[in-house]
Amino acid sequence: EDKVVQSPLSLVVHEGDTVTLNCSYEVTNFRSLLWYKQEKKAPTFLFMLTSSGIEKKSGRLSSILDKKELFSILNITATQTGDSAIYLCAVEGNTDKLIFGTGTRLQVFP
Amino acid sequence: GAVVSQHPSRVICKSGTSVKIECRSLDFQATTMFWYRQFPKKSLMLMATSNEGSKATYEQGVEKDKFLINHASLTLSTLTVTSAHPEDSSFYICSARDPSGAYNEQFFGPGTRLTVL
Repeated sequence: EDKVVQSPLSLVVHEGDTVTLNCSYEVTNFRSLLWYKQEKKAPTFLFMLTSSGIEKKSGRLSSILDKKELFSILNITATQTGDSAIYLCAVEGNTDKLIFGTGTRLQVFP
Repeated sequence: GAVVSQHPSRVICKSGTSVKIECRSLDFQATTMFWYRQFPKKSLMLMATSNEGSKATYEQGVEKDKFLINHASLTLSTLTVTSAHPEDSSFYICSARDPSGAYNEQFFGPGTRLTVL
């Protein structure tokens, strides 16, 4: 059965800290891994990763995929209170469907 | 990026009534839309895949007679929660895939919060 596991489930940090969010997966015929940020409403797209070892970067956020170890990390440097959200990892296999992990709830305090 | 809208954003209804939620892709055509459900502090759970012009594909454990999906056009899918009960109260989110997008990723609607009294 396809599965996506995220850790930690919850994280509390102070502004300026760096955080690393983890996502491991098992999926048939992997196509891509996606990271989303969810605040009060629906998730917003952050990154899509398809190849191992190639870092995707957007401002203070970066992500990388390891297809051998079936693992991805999302890094956020110099965190700000506006980074407080749930970060969702999703994996796409041989169908159009996205399988979501449980999410990591990040809280950044001033 | 592509825009997906949902209507209504919030609905409160009495037990036993039916509620229809609309999902529209505003600036692209979506042959496939997805309906998710999210409980408080939980992740998104895929309910069904909505295919334009054909029957929806439901995930295991989702009652197709309870959650009616109609994908009438390339820009509109509707989810009808029939004979709603309090346990149907949840956050319902749709998404649509933009086949012309750079990443062919799914874009999410803003969600509909359903409360059944």
